[in-house]
Formats: sequence, structure tokens, C-alpha cells
Amino acid sequence: SYVLTQPPSVSVAPGKTARISCGGNNTESKSVFWYQQKPGQAPVLVIYFDSDRPSGIPERFSGSNSGNTATLTISRVEAGDEADYYCQVWDSSSDHPVFGGGTKLTVL
Amino acid sequence: QVQLVESGGGLVKPGGSLRLSCAASGFIFSDYYMSWIRQAPGKGLEWVSYTSSSGSTIYYGDSVKGRFAISRDNAKNSLYLQMNSLRADDTAVYYCARRGQLFLAFDIWGQGTMVTVSS
Repeated sequence: SYVLTQPPSVSVAPGKTARISCGGNNTESKSVFWYQQKPGQAPVLVIYFDSDRPSGIPERFSGSNSGNTATLTISRVEAGDEADYYCQVWDSSSDHPVFGGGTKLTVL
Repeated sequence: QVQLVESGGGLVKPGGSLRLSCAASGFIFSDYYMSWIRQAPGKGLEWVSYTSSSGSTIYYGDSVKGRFAISRDNAKNSLYLQMNSLRADDTAVYYCARRGQLFLAFDIWGQGTMVTVSS
């Protein structure tokens, strides 16, 4: 089955740029989705189709996908961005969704 | 507004059963694929099951196959998860989620319902 690998944690100072990676076999052939989950809350979709933002998501959130790695980039990080972030794809061989293990973003 | 509200969670003994419900509102429920996704305490997201808009196509994750059954009642705008032969490692918050028609992502999530399997 398809596997997505994320770093367990990423730390960044306020105002700087955070980059969260999501590695998998030939991720660029798949559409990658990103979710933000704050403590005690349900996940929220922040990026779909690699780099598109749903309405209401700040432009500071962007995504890219090339080769074997997709990346979520958060520019001008704010304290309120501190959360767990999960990437997700659809495994075409099984038609099942697959989630990465999640990355905890800490704002220093 | 668009909303999903789960219910039915609770404490159950190993080997027991539980039925979760998810009430949808604010959108045409019968147009959307729906899914159950769970999260064990302190762990990541794990997909459990999903059903097509009509209920004719259903998939399960390997960890629940043969024990859990997803169903939906489009007339009642409701999604269900019948959980049998529960184990301690089924302990988790269970989320109901909508798969967007355009985004193909899980664009709407409920607040979750906690299931605890313990003797």
C-alpha cells in the first residue's frame, strides 16, 4: 500500500517561513491535500490539488509537488498557525485515501 | 450552514458493539461521498471507511474490514458506522467527513465522537 512520510516536527520563529514535507513514491503523479488540525479540533482542509487554497484560507499557505515530495509552505508564520498538519493522497491502486503521519508545527 | 454532527460514541467492553451516527445539514447529502476517519489518542489520522453517494460502492481500511459496516440513509441525511468485535486499538475519536465533489478532498468534517474500548 502507498505510504506518505512526514517529519514529526518542524519549528519556526514568528514571521519566518515554515516548510513541511510529505514524501511518497512519485507523489507528483498524485494530487496532494493538506489539513491543519489544532488541539481539540477537527481537521481543516488548507490545500487541495497540490497548491490550491479553499476559500477562507490565507494566501500565506501554499503548496507544491514535485518528484517524490510534496511541500506545504506557510509564509510569515503566526502563533495561530501552531498545529498538526497532515498530507493526504488517494492510492490509485486501491482507491483508498492515505494520510501522512502528521507534522507538529511549533512557533517559537 | 454546512454541518456534520456525530453521535453514538462511548465506553464499550472489548468484543462489544457500537453504532455511530452522523447527521448532515446545509448541503445535498445524497450528492456526496462520505467517510469515517479516526484518530487514536495522541496519534495521527487513519481512514476507516467510505461510501459513494448512493451507497453502492463501499471501501474499508484493512484494520476494520470484516468488523465494521458503513451505511447511509439519504432520506434522513445520515451516515452510520456499525462497529462490532471492538478491540482496545479501536479507541479513538471518530470523525465523519464529506469528500468534496470538486476538490476530492475531505472538505467538511464533524467535531468527532469518542469511542473508548476498555474492560
